[in-house]
Order: sequence, then C-alpha cells, then structure tokens
Amino acid sequence: SQKIEQNSEALNIQEGKTATLTCNYTNYSPAYLQWYRQDPGRGPVFLLLIRENEKEKRKERLKVTFDTTLKQSLFHITASQPADSATYLCALPGRSGGGADGLTFGKGTHLIIQP
Amino acid sequence: EAGVAQSPRYKIIEKRQSVAFWCNPISGHATLYWYQQILGQGPKLLIQFQNNGVVDDSQLPKDRFSAERLKGVDSTLKIQPAKLEDSAVYLCASGAGQETQYFGPGTRLLVL
Repeated sequence: SQKIEQNSEALNIQEGKTATLTCNYTNYSPAYLQWYRQDPGRGPVFLLLIRENEKEKRKERLKVTFDTTLKQSLFHITASQPADSATYLCALPGRSGGGADGLTFGKGTHLIIQP
Repeated sequence: EAGVAQSPRYKIIEKRQSVAFWCNPISGHATLYWYQQILGQGPKLLIQFQNNGVVDDSQLPKDRFSAERLKGVDSTLKIQPAKLEDSAVYLCASGAGQETQYFGPGTRLLVL
C-alpha cells in the first residue's frame, strides 16, 4: 500500500538558518507532490506543488525539490523566522493520476524556529 | 473571497450518540472533500464529491459514517453511532478542479 514518511519529531532551527524537511514515499508514482502548512487549531494551507517532471520549485523563501528516483521531496525554508514555526505536511494524490484527487498526507513535521 | 466554512467548531458527545458536521465550500468549487485528522497524524481522506456525486468513498467507514452533498454546494457528514476512536478533527476542503485544496478550520469532535 502507499506510504508517506515524514520526520514527525520536532525540528528545532535557529532563526536565520535554513530549515530542511524531508518527505519519503513508497509504492507510489505520483504525478505531483504538495506541501501544506498547518498551525494549531487551523486547517492546512497550501504552499507549493511540484510535478513529476520538475526537479525544483521556488516561492519566496521556500524551495521544494522532487526526486522521483529516490522517491523523496525536500522542503527548504531559507532565512527562517519564528513565524515559520508550524507543522508542515507532505501530500500526494490518492491515486497516482493527476487532477483533483483526494490527498494522502504524511504525519507532518513540527518545525520550531528559535529566536 | 470567503473561505471554506465549517460548523460547529467544537462538539462533545457520548459514545453511541450521533453527530453531524456541516461544510460550505468556496463559491464555485465543484470538488469537496472530508478528511479526518486524529491527533498527531496527517489528515485522512474520508470522501470526495464532484458536484453532488461521490468520486471516492473507499476510506469511509460506511457502517457508521455517511455524507451527502445534495445540491452540489454545501455538505454534511454524519456519524451514527459514534465511538471513542472517532475523536478527531474533521476537516472539509474544496477545490476548483485543480490540484490545490482549500481547507476549512475543522470541527473538533470529542467522544466520551
């Protein structure tokens, strides 16, 4: 069955440094991969989508890479700030096709940026 | 643009009682999803609607959970009877037919 692994332990990073989060998956050949941010008591918020034919995607201080051979995505936040503290979720389409599929999420990584 | 609305925000019930959650998606979004998020886990898809038709309900525990989207706009999710393990946050999301999903704030359910 499909499986997504994220480091669910808290990741502590000093303000100003680059935070790197990992998402590994098995038994998948997804057409795309998404990253969401979730704050306590709130629903997830979409951040970035990267397609299977893209190696890297950037948005402001965020960068995502997608290695379909390793079955891994890395999510980077550069010049991290305390406001970046949240849980970050990796998500793949429930069926390996594209379009508006329901998502399968990892457990998320809790990121803490310390001043 | 108004986001996805959900109500109630919190609900406490005893086991074997029934409960219903309501979701109003972003205007014009044809796709609507219900997810269950247990504490410490990522959201798990329960059911996906396209307009008023069910696209995927393979992970919905149909012996106790039901959902409808009769007019292709708002939706209700019902649990009857509730079990202790149903304690979770129930998230509704909508989409415009693209990959991005927009989530509501969720309904936090505690079953005692």
